[in-house]
Amino acid sequence: DAKTTQPPSMDCAEGRAANLPCNHSTISGNEYVYWYRQIHSQGPQYIIHGLKNNETNEMASLIITEDRKSSTLILPHATLRDTAVYYCIVRKNRDDKIIFGKGTRLHILP
Amino acid sequence: DAEITQSPRHKITETGRQVTLACHQTWNHNNMFWYRQDLGHGLRLIHYSYGVQDTNKGEVSDGYSVSRSNTEDLPLTLESAASSQTSVYFCASSSGANYGYTFGSGTRLTVV
Repeated sequence: DAKTTQPPSMDCAEGRAANLPCNHSTISGNEYVYWYRQIHSQGPQYIIHGLKNNETNEMASLIITEDRKSSTLILPHATLRDTAVYYCIVRKNRDDKIIFGKGTRLHILP
Repeated sequence: DAEITQSPRHKITETGRQVTLACHQTWNHNNMFWYRQDLGHGLRLIHYSYGVQDTNKGEVSDGYSVSRSNTEDLPLTLESAASSQTSVYFCASSSGANYGYTFGSGTRLTVV
């Protein structure tokens, strides 16, 4: 599976949009981009995934660049409860196992 | 409601003992996974299963085993517990490669 690169930490003001970047320059055509988050001491939580089109659900939006070498997870109106570690993962659709990286620790500031 | 449960939530055991951590899901998911999480290492895949009688090794499988005799359960066994296996263990399940995982609440294991 392709490797991902994320900043180790980010800050965002409460109520503002949080934009979390992810680089995956070696992604191949059959690999999807997935995002999970882990709130302190809880199990990780699935957020969203996509192949090449932008995706939106009730939690977030996923913007994937046209060349698919990077993506951005957007939390439109961040709250203190969004403070967590966010993981960007690339994996082949035929292979369900996930290898987690170190993720981005997002701090929402009041 | 469907759920995935891990038990026990906390366990303390002695070095050399055999320990089994339980994972039970009522989602009817075919795929199940075990991870461990340690400070400085993040989440690491131990074992996984894509269905009954199927098991596969992950990144850090030495010292661990799993068995899958039904859809609902994937118990994780530490054959001879070592202090290096002190960790938080998470179980997860999914219905397939195009879906997200559902994680349990974790088991905190301490080996003394």
